Amino acid sequence: KQEVTQIPAALSVPEGENLVLNCSFTDSAIYNLQWFRQDPGKGLTSLLLIQSSQREQTSGRLNASLDKSSGRSTLYIAASQPGDSATYLCAVRNAGNMLTFGGGTRLMVKP
Amino acid sequence: DAGVIQSPRHEVTEMGQEVTLRCKPISGHNSLFWYRQTMMRGLELLIYFNNNVPIDDSGMPEDRFSAKMPNASFSTLKIQPSEPRDSAVYFCASRPDGGSNQPQHFGDGTRLSIL
Repeated sequence: KQEVTQIPAALSVPEGENLVLNCSFTDSAIYNLQWFRQDPGKGLTSLLLIQSSQREQTSGRLNASLDKSSGRSTLYIAASQPGDSATYLCAVRNAGNMLTFGGGTRLMVKP
Repeated sequence: DAGVIQSPRHEVTEMGQEVTLRCKPISGHNSLFWYRQTMMRGLELLIYFNNNVPIDDSGMPEDRFSAKMPNASFSTLKIQPSEPRDSAVYFCASRPDGGSNQPQHFGDGTRLSIL
C-alpha cells in the first residue's frame, strides 16, 4: 500500500526566503506526482504535475523535482511572499487512477 | 470555466438524518472523484467514476455511504443514517480523459457537521 509523507508538517519563514518542502513515498511504481495548494476553507489547486518519466517541472517561482527511484519529491519556492501562505499537499498516482495524499505542509510566510 | 461546483458549502444536521452532497463536474471531464478530509486521516479517496460508472469504491467506509452519477454533469454522495464521526470536509474532483497525466480539479468542498 502506498504511503506518502510530508516533512515538515508546518513551516514559518520571513518573506523573501527560498524554501523547500519535502515529500516521500514508499512505492516507486507511480504514474505521476502532483503538488497542490490548499487555502483555508477552499479546495485544492493543482500547482505542478510531474510525470514518472520527468525529473522536474517549473511554474513561475515554483520548481518541483522527482526522484522516483528514491521515492522523493521536493517543491522549491523562490523568494517567498505572504500570499504563498497555505497548506501544500503532494499526491502520487499509482495504477487505477487513485491519488494517495501526504498529510501536507502548512506554510506561513511572515511579512 | 465555472470549475467543479459543490453544494451545499456547509451542512449541519443531527445524527441519524440523511445527508446528500452534490457535485457538478467540469463539463467534458470524464472522471469524477469523491474525497473526505479530516484532521486525523487527511485526504482519503472514497469513490471514483469514469464515464458515469463507479470504478473503485473501496474507500467508502460503510454501507451507510452511497454515491451515484446519473449523468455526466451530476453526482451525489449520500450518508444514511449519519453519525458524528462522519463530520469532515467532503471534496469532489473531476479530471478529463486523455492519458494518465491530467491533473484533477477540485471543488471548494462541503463542510459537514453531524451533531
